[in-house]
Amino acid sequence: DQQVKQNSPSLSVQEGRISILNCDYTNSMFDYFLWYKKYPAEGPTFLISISSIKDKNEDGRFTVFLNKSAKHLSLHIVPSQPGDSAVYFCEAGGRGSTLGRLYFGRGTQLTVWP
Amino acid sequence: DVKVTQSSRYLVKRTGEKVFLECVQDMDHENMFWYRQDPGLGLRLIYFSYDVKMKEKGDIPEGYSVSREKKERFSLILESASTNQTSMYLCASSPTGGLVEQYFGPGTRLTVT
Repeated sequence: DQQVKQNSPSLSVQEGRISILNCDYTNSMFDYFLWYKKYPAEGPTFLISISSIKDKNEDGRFTVFLNKSAKHLSLHIVPSQPGDSAVYFCEAGGRGSTLGRLYFGRGTQLTVWP
Repeated sequence: DVKVTQSSRYLVKRTGEKVFLECVQDMDHENMFWYRQDPGLGLRLIYFSYDVKMKEKGDIPEGYSVSREKKERFSLILESASTNQTSMYLCASSPTGGLVEQYFGPGTRLTVT
């Protein structure tokens, strides 16, 4: 049973526009969330994180929004660039849980076209 | 820079062979992880370790075992490889703490024929 869901397996966006990647979770004990980016034939790399005490975190072109009541978070990329084309994974965990209970979504393939 | 290295980028093994995948990290991280990535299934946790000689099962431990004799090294063992273990295997490490990211190696593409 998936505790972290990324319901859109793919997203296609034109360069310069906004990309919005979504993630839903079911476990109310989750209190920190991370996004990773993965290029083909490479390991994922950390992108941005947010804890449950905040509802927004921004880092350059990347902003993560957290809606705790809806158990939903989203990653906004503005403006999108062709180099952003990658698979994006959402990860969730809870401070009260054992380390192993870090859950990844299945990923969303973002394609940014010129 | 944190560096996580994996012993092979590509590996081809036969069904029934014993397979060792090695992972080494150079940042003195306490925690190490093994995942497999399959199309449409994302990253699934196989095993993790939070200290030397300690291990915990993840979500899909069947058919795998692990070894952590030194802090920097975490090995994944396929006791008897099967075709359904053909996958991309990713190792990761992280320091102990709350909101911390994992650092991933480049992955090993394993094909079992």
